[in-house]
Amino acid sequence: AQSVTQPDIHITVSEGASLELRCNYSYGATPYLFWYVQSPGQGLQLLLKYFSGDTLVQGIKGFEAEFKRSQSSFNLRKPSVHWSDAAEYFCAVGADSWGKFQFGAGTQVVVTP
Amino acid sequence: EPEVTQTPSHQVTQMGQEVILRCVPISNHLYFYWYRQILGQKVEFLVSFYNNEISEKSEIFDDQFSVERPDGSNFTLKIRSTKLEDSAMYFCASSDTGGGQPQHFGDGTRLSIL
Repeated sequence: AQSVTQPDIHITVSEGASLELRCNYSYGATPYLFWYVQSPGQGLQLLLKYFSGDTLVQGIKGFEAEFKRSQSSFNLRKPSVHWSDAAEYFCAVGADSWGKFQFGAGTQVVVTP
Repeated sequence: EPEVTQTPSHQVTQMGQEVILRCVPISNHLYFYWYRQILGQKVEFLVSFYNNEISEKSEIFDDQFSVERPDGSNFTLKIRSTKLEDSAMYFCASSDTGGGQPQHFGDGTRLSIL
């Protein structure tokens, strides 16, 4: 059965420092992979997606993610975080024809001055 | 940029009452979804809807739940007899082609069952 794991429940990072959020998936074939961000009281905003092709994908707000088939990972990175990046981040897998998504448990990012 | 809108933003209902959560998907989208997020837990898939019928549903989506697209713009989730454990944030999403394409999410309806 497919699954998505985000090993880090909570990450604290200093403003200006780099950020990496981990995501591992389990699926028989190459799935569609997504990262969403949820600010408090708000919905889920798509940051980036991977379907095929170049394994390094660029997203909005300066985020990028790298698909590594050998590690079944799709980690999200940002070179220099801003205070506005404080939010919860969800990795998601979409793997069937109807588009049902399976989400990871989320990683809460706190940005300190 | 077009967006998915959900109403109300917060719904408080007595246990056992019926509740209808409303969503207006992006106008040219064909695939519609409901997810829920219990406080502190992950976002869970409830149901997908395409061509005026349910295409897939999860174990959570039991007989108490139903979905409907009553007209060309609205997509509703009805919970017939609410239980305390139905308290959650409910998200509506839509996509244009399904098949793993990005889903656009609304801001959610927070449902509180008393």
